[in-house]
Amino acid sequence: DGGITQSPKYLFRKEGQNVTLSCEQNLNHDAMYWYRQDPGQGLRLIYYSQIVNDFQKGDIAEGYSVSREKKESFPLTVTSAQKNPTAFYLCASSLPGHFSATFGSGTRLTVV
Amino acid sequence: DAKTTQPNSMESNEEEPVHLPCNHSTISGTDYIHWYRQLPSQGPEYVIHGLTSNVNNRMASLAIAEDRKSSTLILHRATLRDAAVYYCILGLWNSGNTPLVFGKGTRLSVIA
Repeated sequence: DGGITQSPKYLFRKEGQNVTLSCEQNLNHDAMYWYRQDPGQGLRLIYYSQIVNDFQKGDIAEGYSVSREKKESFPLTVTSAQKNPTAFYLCASSLPGHFSATFGSGTRLTVV
Repeated sequence: DAKTTQPNSMESNEEEPVHLPCNHSTISGTDYIHWYRQLPSQGPEYVIHGLTSNVNNRMASLAIAEDRKSSTLILHRATLRDAAVYYCILGLWNSGNTPLVFGKGTRLSVIA
């Protein structure tokens, strides 16, 4: 079945460590996105990529980095520069001309 | 980005219809109205979208005001599985690769 896989579902890291969240899709979608969600809040856009080897910053890109070397994959690195990294991270993908985006089930990152 | 206003929370009895309102008084002529919902600890899922006419699908109906400054998502018979946060989002007509901008949405509680 086609879909988006985010792994792991839960992730714990010590403060000051970089951590990479995985996002893989087999929907053949061109565009991929990363969002962050804090408790009781809506989703905020971190980065997005409309095509391989290209990506744009979203509203809260500071302290994060991404790469898009393959159409299927859009990993997100949470660096030590991100002041409050503990959050629920969601990856999504979409296709031009389609009105719906598909979301993964998320990775809950806790930094201690 | 055009902005939407939704109530923070709503409550419904099981098997009753639910009308979730959304105000978007600054909507432009090319903005589609999208609805997504997010079940607890999951990523958002597409519900429905529309431009001017009312729309129906297997999940819900979307009623759009004649002046397009407001819309209502209708769940015809609420079930416990419909308890979620519902987001009303505006987007361009061919925005397949334009990031969705999420507000805080409406948290729907369904009472058995």
